[in-house]
Amino acid sequence: EPEVTQTPSHQVTQMGQEVILRCVPISNHLYFYWYRQILGQKVEFLVSFYNNEISEKSEIFDDQFSVERPDGSNFTLKIRSTKLEDSAMYFCASTAQTDQNEKLFFGSGTQLSVL
Amino acid sequence: GDSVTQMEGPVTLSEEAFLTINCTYTATGYPSLFWYVQYPGEGLQLLLKATKADDKGSNKGFEATYRKETTSFHLEKGSVQVSDSAVYFCASRGRSNYKLTFGKGTLLTVNP
Repeated sequence: EPEVTQTPSHQVTQMGQEVILRCVPISNHLYFYWYRQILGQKVEFLVSFYNNEISEKSEIFDDQFSVERPDGSNFTLKIRSTKLEDSAMYFCASTAQTDQNEKLFFGSGTQLSVL
Repeated sequence: GDSVTQMEGPVTLSEEAFLTINCTYTATGYPSLFWYVQYPGEGLQLLLKATKADDKGSNKGFEATYRKETTSFHLEKGSVQVSDSAVYFCASRGRSNYKLTFGKGTLLTVNP
């Protein structure tokens, strides 16, 4: 089965630093997502992206966050100035369409630790 | 807004035991319901889904029935295996948005 690839698998950074989390969605997919899971909490929706623009975002996705599809294959999440509370597992996902019943394909996640 | 509540873990069972992981949802309208599974070191994978009331999703011996009257989608398996050890996530998705709403996840450990 095709896979969504995320790099790095672990990222450690100092508070206030910028981080970029990278994802390669499945090649024929059109809709892209970022989710995160703080340890012991729910998997939370951050943002969805289609046709080179954000289609929906959560309250968590404030001005410190941005997403980009810089070329035809990568989908990145940037956090401009990391805070301790940004420490979480970040999941990228993609899907070919947004039908309610369509499944999302998830990557294995990037564990971000902010010190 | 939409929310999903699932049984707190961790759950530890012996091989061949019966498994139930409870999940309830709140949503406007009629969401689609999903169970995702995350094996160690891997991403979330769709395990099964149900798209309307009374639908039963099934896969790999797991089943869940969409119960509108109790707003539930409990996951069951009659005889678990060591290889079923993973984190299980219940999720819902409404018609009018792009996102999945997840529960916290339940860690299942199956011992030989």
